[in-house]
Amino acid sequence: EPEVTQTPSHQVTQMGQEVILRCVPISNHLYFYWYRQILGQKVEFLVSFYNNEISEKSEIFDDQFSVERPDGSNFTLKIRSTKLEDSAMYFCASGTGSIGELFFGEGSRLTVL
Amino acid sequence: GENVGLHLPTLSVQEGDNSIINCAYSNSASDYFIWYKQESGKGPQFIIDIRSNMDKRQGQRVTVLLNKTVKHLSLQIAATQPGDSAVYFCAEEDTGRRALTFGSGTRLQVQP
Repeated sequence: EPEVTQTPSHQVTQMGQEVILRCVPISNHLYFYWYRQILGQKVEFLVSFYNNEISEKSEIFDDQFSVERPDGSNFTLKIRSTKLEDSAMYFCASGTGSIGELFFGEGSRLTVL
Repeated sequence: GENVGLHLPTLSVQEGDNSIINCAYSNSASDYFIWYKQESGKGPQFIIDIRSNMDKRQGQRVTVLLNKTVKHLSLQIAATQPGDSAVYFCAEEDTGRRALTFGSGTRLQVQP
């Protein structure tokens, strides 16, 4: 069964460092997303991406965040200068249409020290 | 896992019983609703969805009920199994903006 894969599974970084989280969405999907989940809290939407551009972003997704689809398979989330409060599980998701089932990856845990 | 249950409501059921998990949503403009299951250390897994023009939808062992009048969503799991133990989230979407808003989750514990 096709799945969304994410790397790394866990990254520890120092505050102020740049981090890139990588995702390989399911191959025939056209809509891509990043969500995050701070420990013990609900899953929060960050950004959606379609047709090589951001289609929607939340207030969390400030100028420190960026997304990119550098080739036909990868979808990345970059945090330019990490803060302690960026520590969370980051989930990538993909879907075939503008509505409907989203498939989530297993997540990348980011720990900022 | 991600949901250590600091303040998660917990539903504890016996194996074989039916489970009902409830969710209240806030956005009256939401027109698409989904239930996700999240096991410890994993990403959310789609269970079932329903659009706002329906009030009930059935899947395999699961049923989702939608009451738009009171903005309430429920997930019914028939013959609950130990493998159903997880945190369950409802999520809503206003198709005007393609972004899911997740609820705070309910932990389901199935006692063998």
